[in-house]
Amino acid sequence: QSVLTQPPSVSGAPGQRVTISCTGSSSNIGAGYDVDWYQQLPGTAPKVLIYGDINRPSGVPDRFSASKSGASASLAITGLQAEDEADYYCQSYDNSLTGWVFGGGTKLTVL
Amino acid sequence: EVQLVESGGGLVQPGGSLRLSCAASGFTFSDYWLHWVRQVPGKGLVWVSRINSDGKTTFYADSVKGRFTISRDNAKNTLFLEMNTLRAEDTGIYYCVLARAAPFWGQGTLVTVSS
Repeated sequence: QSVLTQPPSVSGAPGQRVTISCTGSSSNIGAGYDVDWYQQLPGTAPKVLIYGDINRPSGVPDRFSASKSGASASLAITGLQAEDEADYYCQSYDNSLTGWVFGGGTKLTVL
Repeated sequence: EVQLVESGGGLVQPGGSLRLSCAASGFTFSDYWLHWVRQVPGKGLVWVSRINSDGKTTFYADSVKGRFTISRDNAKNTLFLEMNTLRAEDTGIYYCVLARAAPFWGQGTLVTVSS
């Protein structure tokens, strides 16, 4: 049982837009701690897509964007491409656990 | 270019010990907090431990408290995780993570606890 809640799976056709939600609580996202989003391709380490709630590292396409409101955050991917098929994780800090917390991961399938 | 290279994983029996290492390069090692995160292949990510820049402040997940010890050698740009009294549920890929604004992850080292 992960501290942050994500849908197990989402899907969309090429070119479409999908969103992945991440719900936390008052001890993590709701307390104002930053949310980071990761993409994990099969057999590889997680790679940061979004950091500090809304920031994209250089090299990440602007098709990826994120938002945060209250104790929830959301990742949006527009113009879906086959190469976007991967697992996506949200991550924040929890002040009662004094460490990072993660969502359970969302598997994105491009139809 | 930032690099984090984990090593020290392997097969160990329940109750055994392992010491993981993470060799860092491409950044000022002594400026940053570092974390260990575990992932059972095919499953989610679980935070294990973190250490501050000078090595004097550490935190652990409840599941490893008292059994694992995180440490670092800033002179050698290396992070460690001493793992004792290992259990089957400690099995997974252990990633070393640089806690900068945009966190950077190593490629991980696989630990398998099994008889």
